[in-house]
Amino acid sequence: RKEVEQDPGPFNVPEGATVAFNCTYSNSASQSFFWYRQDCRKEPKLLMSVYSSGNEDGRFTAQLNRASQYISLLIRDSKLSDSATYLCVVTLIGGTSYGKLTFGQGTILTVHP
Amino acid sequence: DVKVTQSSRYLVKRTGEKVFLECVQDMDHENMFWYRQDPGLGLRLIYFSYDVKMKEKGDIPEGYSVSREKKERFSLILESASTNQTSMYLCASSESGLEGGNIQYFGAGTRLSVL
Repeated sequence: RKEVEQDPGPFNVPEGATVAFNCTYSNSASQSFFWYRQDCRKEPKLLMSVYSSGNEDGRFTAQLNRASQYISLLIRDSKLSDSATYLCVVTLIGGTSYGKLTFGQGTILTVHP
Repeated sequence: DVKVTQSSRYLVKRTGEKVFLECVQDMDHENMFWYRQDPGLGLRLIYFSYDVKMKEKGDIPEGYSVSREKKERFSLILESASTNQTSMYLCASSESGLEGGNIQYFGAGTRLSVL
C-alpha cells in the first residue's frame, strides 16, 4: 500500500464549479500535512498547510481527519488558473526524518471555460 | 525569494555515462533533497542531506550517489546511467526545525534522457 494515496483524476470542471480532492495516508504517526500545487512543466510549490481544525485560504479549504487518516482539499468558484496538479504531502517528525516529505502521486485538475 | 537553481533544464546522456546534476540554493538552508518524478508514481525521494557532508538515503537510492561539500550545493551523481533513470529530477531545500523544515522550495527540474 502506498504511504500517501490520491485519486489521480483527471478532474475536468467548468469555471465556477466546486471541486474536492481526497487523500489518504497509511502511517498513523504522520505529524504534518500539506497541499502542494504543481503547474504544468513547473516545480511544486506549497499551497497550504492542513490543520486538525481545518483551515481556509480564500477559495481553498483543507480538512484533516486523523481518525480516518484522510485529508481533503476543497476549491470553490474554480478559476482557469486553478488548473494544475495538486499534491498531497505528509511528513513524519523525529528520528532521521528531518522534514522528509512523502508526496502523493498528485491529482490533475483542469478548469475549462 | 528563495531560489533553488538546477544547472540544466534538459540533459541527454548515453547508457553507461557518469552524470552529474547540480543544485544550488541561496537561502542558507540546512536541508537539501533530490527527487525524481515519473508519471503515475509522483515524487520519490532519492537522497537528502541535513548538513554539509551529511547524507541520508531516501526511498530509491539505488544507482545514485550524492555529494554535499558546501552548504549551498547538493549534487546528484549517476555513476553509470541506465535507461530506467530517464526521468525528471527535482532538487529542493528547506530550513531545519519543525516549522520551516516542512516547507520545501524546489528548483525548476532537470529532464534527463538516457539513450
